[in-house]
Amino acid sequence: GAVVSQHPSRVICKSGTSVKIECRSLDFQATTMFWYRQFPKQSLMLMATSNEGSKATYEQGVEKDKFLINHASLTLSTLTVTSAHPEDSSFYICSATNTGSQETQYFGPGTRLLVL
Amino acid sequence: GNSVTQMEGPVTLSEEAFLTINCTYTATGYPSLFWYVQYPGEGLQLLLKATKADDKGSNKGFEATYRKETTSFHLEKGSVQVSDSAVYFCALRRNSGNTPLVFGKGTRLSVIA
Repeated sequence: GAVVSQHPSRVICKSGTSVKIECRSLDFQATTMFWYRQFPKQSLMLMATSNEGSKATYEQGVEKDKFLINHASLTLSTLTVTSAHPEDSSFYICSATNTGSQETQYFGPGTRLLVL
Repeated sequence: GNSVTQMEGPVTLSEEAFLTINCTYTATGYPSLFWYVQYPGEGLQLLLKATKADDKGSNKGFEATYRKETTSFHLEKGSVQVSDSAVYFCALRRNSGNTPLVFGKGTRLSVIA
């Protein structure tokens, strides 16, 4: 089946630093990828829609300058948390839909970010 | 707007018990409905889905039927196993275009031997 990977799986950083999270579709091309955030014991909240070759679309309340998204190729989208603060600590999950078959979204395993 | 409401957990059951996790939705138009499962330490996996009214999705002994009249998509399994312990998310997605999923809050299931 389709596989989506994320790297790193876990990261701990100091407050004020920037962290980049990669999301890759390993065996299919994805024109669109989605970035979600999951707080402990809560649901996944959509942060932004990442479109290959164009600017990302952010959900209301999500700061685009804080969460930079780059979808440079059909298999890679990156989320950079800039000047991270403890309140940014969360579980970040990406998903991708096979361009050729837009029915099912495949999720990455998630990246747990802890900002000290 | 679109939203999903599912029963709050945690739910604790004995092995071989019957499972029901309720899910209702609010949506414009006719969305596709999904159940995702998140095992401890892993990412979300699609468990089953239904794309139109009266469709029944099924997988690994789990079933859910798309009920348009009650806007529901309840998850059921006749006999749960310890390995079913996980968090279950109900979700919907508009059928037009490549759109993101809208999730419920998730229900944690613990099955004890």
